[in-house]
Amino acid sequence: GENVEQHPSTLSVQEGDSAVIKCTYSDSASNYFPWYKQELGKRPQLIIDIRSNVGEKKDQRIAVTLNKTAKHFSLHITETQPEDSAVYFCAASTVTMDSSYKLIFGSGTRLLVRP
Amino acid sequence: SQTIHQWPATLVQPVGSPLSLECTVEGTSNPNLYWYRQAAGRGLQLLFYSVGIGQISSEVPQNLSASRPQDRQFILSSKKLLLSDSGFYLCAWRRIRLLQDTEAFFGQGTRLTVV
Repeated sequence: GENVEQHPSTLSVQEGDSAVIKCTYSDSASNYFPWYKQELGKRPQLIIDIRSNVGEKKDQRIAVTLNKTAKHFSLHITETQPEDSAVYFCAASTVTMDSSYKLIFGSGTRLLVRP
Repeated sequence: SQTIHQWPATLVQPVGSPLSLECTVEGTSNPNLYWYRQAAGRGLQLLFYSVGIGQISSEVPQNLSASRPQDRQFILSSKKLLLSDSGFYLCAWRRIRLLQDTEAFFGQGTRLTVV
């Protein structure tokens, strides 16, 4: 079945440095790739997403890149701040045979930004 | 605006007891609905998804079942809980517009502890 792999599982950076999280997906038909941030004990919330017809998207300090040929996509956070500390999830969405849309998540990356 | 309600927020149940978690969505019609489980420190595992009333797709064979008796209601159940059913359960909904994927919105989650 569809699979999304995410690395690293934990990431510690100094405040002001950049953080990069990488994901690969198995289903070449996947066409939508969101990233979610989950703070401790809370629900995941979307921070940025990208569609398969776009190679890169940026929103202030956050950017996502997509390489469809290699089937991988990455999240880049620049000028990290302590409030960026959280668990980040990538996901890939595919259409199933019954025309429903499955959203498969990676295993998550725990980001710690040291002040 | 659309909102998603999930309850209860926390639940402690003995092994062998039944389970019923409910999720309802307001402000939209015919949403795609999802149940995810998050074990402690782990990723989001897709359990069930539904494209319409009575239409349930299961991702992982397990001790759980799901039902969608109404368009905006999604229920997760078990007849007999196991210790391994402990985790953080999240309901989510998505609206698919013109065959295009959109963001998934999560409920507040239910922290289930089986003792």
